[in-house]
Amino acid sequence: KAGVTQTPRYLIKTRGQQVTLSCSPISGHRSVSWYQQTPGQGLQFLFEYFSETQRNKGNFPGRFSGRQFSNSRSEMNVSTLELGDSALYLCASSLAVGVIYEQYFGPGTRLTVT
Amino acid sequence: DQQVKQNSPSLSVQEGRISILNCDYTNSMFDYFLWYKKYPAEGPTFLISISSIKDKNEDGRFTVFLNKSAKHLSLHIVPSQPGDSAVYFCAASSNTGKLIFGQGTTLQVKP
Repeated sequence: KAGVTQTPRYLIKTRGQQVTLSCSPISGHRSVSWYQQTPGQGLQFLFEYFSETQRNKGNFPGRFSGRQFSNSRSEMNVSTLELGDSALYLCASSLAVGVIYEQYFGPGTRLTVT
Repeated sequence: DQQVKQNSPSLSVQEGRISILNCDYTNSMFDYFLWYKKYPAEGPTFLISISSIKDKNEDGRFTVFLNKSAKHLSLHIVPSQPGDSAVYFCAASSNTGKLIFGQGTTLQVKP
């Protein structure tokens, strides 16, 4: 069974640009969550999608948005990039909402904003 | 505010000895706690968890202890092995469904 895949793995953008990251969950998994990992802050929850609907949202500005497609694949978008958005963005999938201990993480997308 | 804190950024232990990783939380509504391990260039992988109705959960070399009155949990690894060298994150959840992670502790197990 293929794991969670994220594309691209590495990305370099400049301030003010926007970026779209993609996540393909494990086959059969319908819930996708996104996290931001920065040094000293650990993993911070961005949002969770289930059945194409956002079910939970973290404390991030509106520049951060996401969506989920009918095949459960998910994308997150960051507009008007800032230097502080440089981070590892992780996606995790699970069978359903709330099944936290069965979340499976992808390898992440390393975003660098210059 | 950091609801889940791992105050030790790093820990170094000798192979065969015990590794103890600590985690403190502030939100008394948390009812489920987890530990994840993360190797470089990989996503975190689930290690072990504990419900707030328990004070100990064991899985092989890994044991998690929960002290609700102190709002403190710890992960014990016995015996430690070089392959255990990784970043360890503790995480907590409540009925909101969100997972709140700590900052992580880098464990180095020396041969």
